[in-house]
Amino acid sequence: DAMVIQNPRYQVTQFGKPVTLSCSQTLNHNVMYWYQQKSSQAPKLLFHYYDKDFNNEADTPDNFQSRRPNTSFCFLDIRSPGLGDAAMYLCATSRDLGREKLFFGSGTQLSVL
Amino acid sequence: QKEVEQNSGPLSVPEGAIASLNCTYSDRGSQSFFWYRQYSGKSPELIMSIYSNGDKEDGRFTAQLNKASQYVSLLIRDSQPSDSATYLCAVWPPSNTGKLIFGQGTTLQVKP
Repeated sequence: DAMVIQNPRYQVTQFGKPVTLSCSQTLNHNVMYWYQQKSSQAPKLLFHYYDKDFNNEADTPDNFQSRRPNTSFCFLDIRSPGLGDAAMYLCATSRDLGREKLFFGSGTQLSVL
Repeated sequence: QKEVEQNSGPLSVPEGAIASLNCTYSDRGSQSFFWYRQYSGKSPELIMSIYSNGDKEDGRFTAQLNKASQYVSLLIRDSQPSDSATYLCAVWPPSNTGKLIFGQGTTLQVKP
């Protein structure tokens, strides 16, 4: 029944060790987003894909990369995680841009040791 | 000025009362407005969307939009302890850049 699925729910990595978070959707939506949310803060958009078109936010560090191999899947790669990258990572989808509702996955809580 | 502003709270109301959550936005051309509920450690869940001036009701929830005042509110009637959460206001700016703008959220505490 789940429409936007994120794995894993919790991820622990070591400082500097690459990590990949995954997201899949069954909604066939065109747009997939990755947000970073730290405690008591608003979700912060890292980037989004409109179909295969990648859109990076200007303030997203180069340490963060993303891949969308097909409509259903999207990955977030953190090349060298730092302690400041510990956060909840949220994947979301929408049918289109503007006016559209975003549907969120359950999130991945990332810890960096 | 922040693009979407909310009072971070906490807003504390007794069980059964009406909780009123407020949000202001800076971009006058914005057209789409959303309220998300987020429990601690969980992801945001959409509870209301509103696109036109006036009120929109869904069960115990009423969203109110006043574009002239650039103001969106969420009323929760008959508040329950299970309503205790952070409520995020989100606004699509007219630029259509793909960036839904979130407020920082208001924490609601409903006390039995």
